Amino acid sequence: AQRVTQPEKLLSVFKGAPVELKCNYSYSGSPELFWYVQYSRQRLQLLLRHISRESIKGFTADLNKGETSFHLKKPFAQEEDSAMYYCALTINFGNEKLTFGTGTRLTIIP
Amino acid sequence: NAGVTQTPKFRVLKTGQSMTLLCAQDMNHEYMYWYRQDPGMGLRLIHYSVGEGTTAKGEVPDGYNVSRLKKQNFLLGLESAAPSQTSVYFCASSYGRGGYNEQFFGPGTRLTVL
Repeated sequence: AQRVTQPEKLLSVFKGAPVELKCNYSYSGSPELFWYVQYSRQRLQLLLRHISRESIKGFTADLNKGETSFHLKKPFAQEEDSAMYYCALTINFGNEKLTFGTGTRLTIIP
Repeated sequence: NAGVTQTPKFRVLKTGQSMTLLCAQDMNHEYMYWYRQDPGMGLRLIHYSVGEGTTAKGEVPDGYNVSRLKKQNFLLGLESAAPSQTSVYFCASSYGRGGYNEQFFGPGTRLTVL
């Protein structure tokens, strides 16, 4: 069975400093990875997905199959980045279920 | 488009009572999901559906039942509520396309079981 691990429950970063939220996964096949974000009083929403190779709101994430990681990075943190971040995994040709990590609460210190 | 809506937003139950949570989506999505969110546990899948008339168990299905009689609705039932079911419940829906899959979430239902 697949598993997603986010080792940091809480992460505080000063505004303007780099941000890295860690995500590791375990799955024997080739998974698809996602980052979801939940801002205060808003719905959980997709931030970015590995397959699109995109940068959203300055965030990027690279899939490292050797280290089975999908860390989320941003070079310069902004106050509006404060939120709960979830890493998630699905398998191709499966039933489209997402397996979520336990989440990291990111706080940007002004 | 309203997207994904959930009814009710809040509910307090006594142990042993029953209730149904309603999820509705207007995006013509095939796939629908029910999650619960607990502190330190992230989101855990309760049940899901891959199309009208189908349902399947997720990670934590015990104590819950679901039905998908219409494509746009996915109901989550608690037959005999227990304090361990105190949680925030989220519904989601998606087209379901592997790596391009995006799940759209509802606003959540905060349930307290006394």
